[in-house]
Amino acid sequence: AQTVTQSQPEMSVQEAETVTLSCTYDTSESDYYLFWYKQPPSRQMILVIRQEAYKQQNATENRFSVNFQKAAKSFSLKISDSQLGDAAMYFCAYATAYGGATNKLIFGTGTLLAVQP
Amino acid sequence: NAGVTQTPKFRVLKTGQSMTLLCAQDMNHEYMYWYRQDPGMGLRLIHYSVGEGTTAKGEVPDGYNVSRLKKQNFLLGLESAAPSQTSVYFCASSYSLPGSSGNTIYFGEGSWLTVV
Repeated sequence: AQTVTQSQPEMSVQEAETVTLSCTYDTSESDYYLFWYKQPPSRQMILVIRQEAYKQQNATENRFSVNFQKAAKSFSLKISDSQLGDAAMYFCAYATAYGGATNKLIFGTGTLLAVQP
Repeated sequence: NAGVTQTPKFRVLKTGQSMTLLCAQDMNHEYMYWYRQDPGMGLRLIHYSVGEGTTAKGEVPDGYNVSRLKKQNFLLGLESAAPSQTSVYFCASSYSLPGSSGNTIYFGEGSWLTVV
């Protein structure tokens, strides 16, 4: 079974600085998708960035970028120029690329990010 | 979140009572999911469905049942509520595989359930 591990329950960053959130996963599949979701206090789930495992190039979305290391099964999120609005719970997630009854989206335990002014 | 509606949003149950959470989506999505969120545990998948009439177990299915009789609705049932089922429940849906190019996963706003 696939698992997603986030080893940092809490992180803190100064406004305008850069922070990296860690995520590792375990799978025997060769093709899959990885995601980072943001959950602010409102509990809304917001997709931050996604990565397709067959793509070697790391995904980027404005101030958000990932470091995808397939062999190491690592998928970290880097937030540059941190803003107060970035404060939230961040979840790493995994989804199989294969359809059918095995398809599902699995989340890690989350990292609570605080942004200090 | 537009498109995914969870009912009810808040509920207090007594131990042993039963209840059903309704998730409705109007986007013609095939895939639907029920998660529970607990402090320090992240979102854990309870049950999911890959189409009308189909359901499958997730990571923590015990104590829950689901049905997908209509494509737009995914019901989560608690037959005999226990305090351990106190949680925030999230429903999600998507048109195709979660990671598919162009596909978006939509989440409901959550349902707060307390079992006393």
